[in-house]
This record gives sequence, C-alpha cells and structure tokens, in this order.
Amino acid sequence: GAVVSQHPSRVICKSGTSVKIECRSLDFQATTMFWYRQFPKQSLMLMATSNEGSKATYEQGVEKDKFLINHASLTLSTLTVTSAHPEDSSFYICSARDITVRGEKLFFGSGTQLSVL
Amino acid sequence: AQKITQTQPGMFVQEKEAVTLDCTYDTSDPSYGLFWYKQPSSGEMIFLIYQGSYDQQNATEGRYSLNFQKARKSANLVISASQLGDSAMYFCAMREGRGSQGNLIFGKGTKLSVKP
Repeated sequence: GAVVSQHPSRVICKSGTSVKIECRSLDFQATTMFWYRQFPKQSLMLMATSNEGSKATYEQGVEKDKFLINHASLTLSTLTVTSAHPEDSSFYICSARDITVRGEKLFFGSGTQLSVL
Repeated sequence: AQKITQTQPGMFVQEKEAVTLDCTYDTSDPSYGLFWYKQPSSGEMIFLIYQGSYDQQNATEGRYSLNFQKARKSANLVISASQLGDSAMYFCAMREGRGSQGNLIFGKGTKLSVKP
C-alpha cells in the first residue's frame, strides 16, 4: 500500500483563491519532504525542500510567498498555493525520505492536479 | 550541463523480453545516490531501485536491476521479462551529497511501451 498519502488528487479552483495540498508519510517519520512540479510530458522540477521544524528551502525562481510550505510534524508537510493563477495550473507531487539501515528510499505521493480557472 | 541524461525519449519492447533504459549522470561529488522511478499515466511516482555510489554490487529488486558502471557514470535500468503493466514513464534521478542533505535531480524520462 501507499506509504505517502497526498491529497487532494485533483482540485479545480478560481483564480485568486488559495489551495492547500497535504503530504503525509503513513508508516515512517520523514524529517525531510520535497515538493515538485511537473508540466505535461516533462520531468519533475524541485520546488522546495521541507524540513520538519524549520523553514523550507526554496529553489531558485520559486516564490516562497506564493508557495507556502509548512512541515509542522514528522509525518505532515503542506504546500499552499496562494492567490492561484492559471499559470499555476500543474501537477504537484511530494516525496518523503525514509532513511533506514538498509539505505534511503524516497516515496512519492500520488500527486495533485491543480487547475486554476 | 545536464546532470542526468536519459537519451531515449521512447522505447518499445516485446512482452516477456528484457529491456535496458539508459541513464548517465554527471557529478564531482564522491558521495551520491542513483534512483529509478516509474510513473504510470496516473501520475504517481513509484520507487523501483536505488544504488549508492559506494555500493560494491549492482542493486537488484525483483525484475529490476541496475547496471552501475561508475567509471562510465552510467546507471542503466534493466527490466527482465517485461509485462504489459510495465508500460510507463521511467525517470532516472540522482542525489548528491551525504546523509539527509541534497535533493533529487531528475532526467527527462523514457517512455516505455510494452507490446503484447
């Protein structure tokens, strides 16, 4: 079963509204989660690294005031797209890092398709 | 310069045959990790296999194996006995650095189509 839960899977909103996307690690604690954006038929582009209990680290060109990230617990990170505009329409996907003695694995959520009208 | 290169935008393979998806990487960091993910049309990213830069043996996970050639900086994914459900996009990714730092850099992906 899924080890990272992301929801909603699809959201349609009006321009100017805010949308919150949740990413939860279900059976492990994730001190680090990542948020990606994927345009159709393109690769995933990292938006930001979310660290539990501290401020997120944003990639160059990503507006931190536009894409608010909160990682309040070891199992939950949220991405809020504030004042969404049609150009924010995209597929957003999170990942959570699980580090064990066998090595590390990153598990991805199922993604959120955001459509801004 | 691209850090992860997947030169095959699309690949076809006959069901039950093996297929190799190419991936080359570029890094000057001696510590790095290489990953392969499968992305079906639903959009989710499914972890397949991981190879650490210091791992002595090639990683294997069921029908997936990673042909790790460090000197060539290549990390090709081999899928044995292809199944129709293997049809998807496949992404190679790299993490530079140690521990919990660093993020994933993705290649552009290869679309694999398995023919019955």
